[in-house]
Amino acid sequence: AQSVTQLGSHVSVSEGALVLLRCNYSSSVPPYLFWYVQYPNQGLQLLLKYTSAATLVKGINGFEAEFKKSETSFHLTKPSAHMSDAAEYFCAVTPWSSASKIIFGSGTRLSIRP
Amino acid sequence: NAGVTQTPKFQVLKTGQSMTLQCAQDMNHNSMYWYRQDPGMGLRLIYYSASEGTTDKGEVPNGYNVSRLNKREFSLRLESAAPSQTSVYFCASSGRDRGDYQETQYFGPGTRLLVL
Repeated sequence: AQSVTQLGSHVSVSEGALVLLRCNYSSSVPPYLFWYVQYPNQGLQLLLKYTSAATLVKGINGFEAEFKKSETSFHLTKPSAHMSDAAEYFCAVTPWSSASKIIFGSGTRLSIRP
Repeated sequence: NAGVTQTPKFQVLKTGQSMTLQCAQDMNHNSMYWYRQDPGMGLRLIYYSASEGTTDKGEVPNGYNVSRLNKREFSLRLESAAPSQTSVYFCASSGRDRGDYQETQYFGPGTRLLVL
């Protein structure tokens, strides 16, 4: 069965520092992969998605993620953190067995230090 | 284009009361979902509907019923609320964006439910 693992339930970085949120997937074939962001008291918002068109995917708010098949990873990065980036981030995968279902990671809470 | 909308935003119920959470989407998606989100538990699928007229159980369906009223609307009903159903409930819909062969899910803003 396909799954995603997010390493680190809480990540704290200083404002202006690099943001790196880790996600590894398990799949026998390249899946569709997603990053969602959830700001406090809000719903999940699509940040970016990998659809096999390009391995480096750019999303909203300056975030990007790189699909690495050899490492089965889809880590999320941002060169310079802003206070407004403080949120919960979820990595997710769509199984090939179902075009519409989605499997979420457990989430990583990102805190930004002034 | 409002996307996925949910009502109400907040609700307080007493144990044993019933209520219906409403969800609507304007993206012409076939599939719709109900999730609950609890601290430390992540998102868990309650029910989903692959198309109008069909519904299927997800991971945690007990205590809930759903109705796919039409292509736009998918409601979640708690017949007899219990404190264990205190949670944040999210509705989502999914469809294939242009050029994709898999679907992408889009979420509503959520309903915060407290059962006393």
